[in-house]
Amino acid sequence: KNEVEQSPQNLTAQEGEFITINCSYSVGISALHWLQQHPGGGIVSLFMLSSGKKKHGRLIATINIQEKHSSLHITASHPRDSAVYICAAPRDSNYQLIWGAGTKLIIKP
Amino acid sequence: EAQVTQNPRYLITVTGKKLTVTCSQNMNHEYMSWYRQDPGLGLRQIYYSMNVEVTDKGDVPEGYKVSRKEKRNFPLILESPSPNQTSLYFCASSFFGTSTDTQYFGPGTRLTVL
Repeated sequence: KNEVEQSPQNLTAQEGEFITINCSYSVGISALHWLQQHPGGGIVSLFMLSSGKKKHGRLIATINIQEKHSSLHITASHPRDSAVYICAAPRDSNYQLIWGAGTKLIIKP
Repeated sequence: EAQVTQNPRYLITVTGKKLTVTCSQNMNHEYMSWYRQDPGLGLRQIYYSMNVEVTDKGDVPEGYKVSRKEKRNFPLILESPSPNQTSLYFCASSFFGTSTDTQYFGPGTRLTVL
């Protein structure tokens, strides 16, 4: 069992739909990272959160430390949101991350 | 503009020909890291550096070397590349580490070893 698991692996939706990507982890963590990898390959950090909820534009990330679960939501999805979304949890050392396998999201117009 | 730069962006080389992929950041970050990304395997850490002259192995260090002589630069060296090192490589940096710091990634270097 991977220490960080994401679901679903692949998600195809229509423009405008509400999107949810889930991340579960089995390690104790101080914070969880959400990142986006564009179709061209570039990786961008979206959120880092240790409790509660964070919002940036149409993206919302939530985390429940007790349940070891985090979700990334996209409201009013748009084709430009098509990307791979990755969650990652820090290892104890502070210098390494445990990476989820990623969720490939396709938003159709 | 705050950024992490990598060069070259694309490289095709032959087995055994030494190469260096450069990584530079202009944010005065102490922590820098190299990853490789392969289909189906996700991101795997090669080496990381906590500060100047301080480096440590990640999960897949075999066949790679790094150095951190200056804070801004963290080159990845392949002394004798082999085809199994064909991959997409990313450099990343942050202020102090991975626990509570936002990670900044370079644009990636696509390496093909023939």
